[in-house]
Amino acid sequence: AQKITQTQPGMFVQEKEAVTLDCTYDTSDPSYGLFWYKQPSSGEMIFLIYQGSYDQQNATEGRYSLNFQKARKSANLVISASQLGDSAMYFCAMRVLLGYSTLTFGKGTMLLVSP
Amino acid sequence: DSGVTQTPKHLITATGQRVTLRCSPRSGDLSVYWYQQSLDQGLQFLIHYYNGEERAKGNILERFSAQQFPDLHSELNLSSLELGDSALYFCASSPTGTGAGANVLTFGAGSRLTVL
Repeated sequence: AQKITQTQPGMFVQEKEAVTLDCTYDTSDPSYGLFWYKQPSSGEMIFLIYQGSYDQQNATEGRYSLNFQKARKSANLVISASQLGDSAMYFCAMRVLLGYSTLTFGKGTMLLVSP
Repeated sequence: DSGVTQTPKHLITATGQRVTLRCSPRSGDLSVYWYQQSLDQGLQFLIHYYNGEERAKGNILERFSAQQFPDLHSELNLSSLELGDSALYFCASSPTGTGAGANVLTFGAGSRLTVL
């Protein structure tokens, strides 16, 4: 079974600063994907970034990057140059890439960006 | 707009009632997933359909059922509703094939169910 742990219930950051949201995972499968989703107060789930377990380089998507440390089983999200619109709940998730697997989510981290 | 359409957006009903939530996946996506998000349980996987066939079941109650139709839209039926069923219900879809894009689930905006 897969497990995702997000130990930070809430994080505060000032506008224009960088912030790291922590995520650790546990799985015995060698082929898996790691995901980050954003949920603003409006409720929708927005996909941010994906990292495959065999990808050699850390994934980046604009201001988002995923700091993947396979040996530590961590997949931290780094948001550079925070904006007020980044205030939201952030979920880390993983999925085994074999068969008909589904996403397993962590409990989320609430990020608040202040002016 | 994610391309995944869920209706209704909001639904208020009474205990004991039955409701149906509807989902249209992104064009071309054969997989549909249902998730429940509640304050105490977080995001819980309910069920997965692929091209009309059930592929995986999660923490779905016996009072809940789902199906995926030939046109690939899906419906989640919730019956004998209880106060604890109040939650945000998400539908997500994903494409087939290989590559990073095939692994990503795209979520709809959700259907917020309130049971009074």
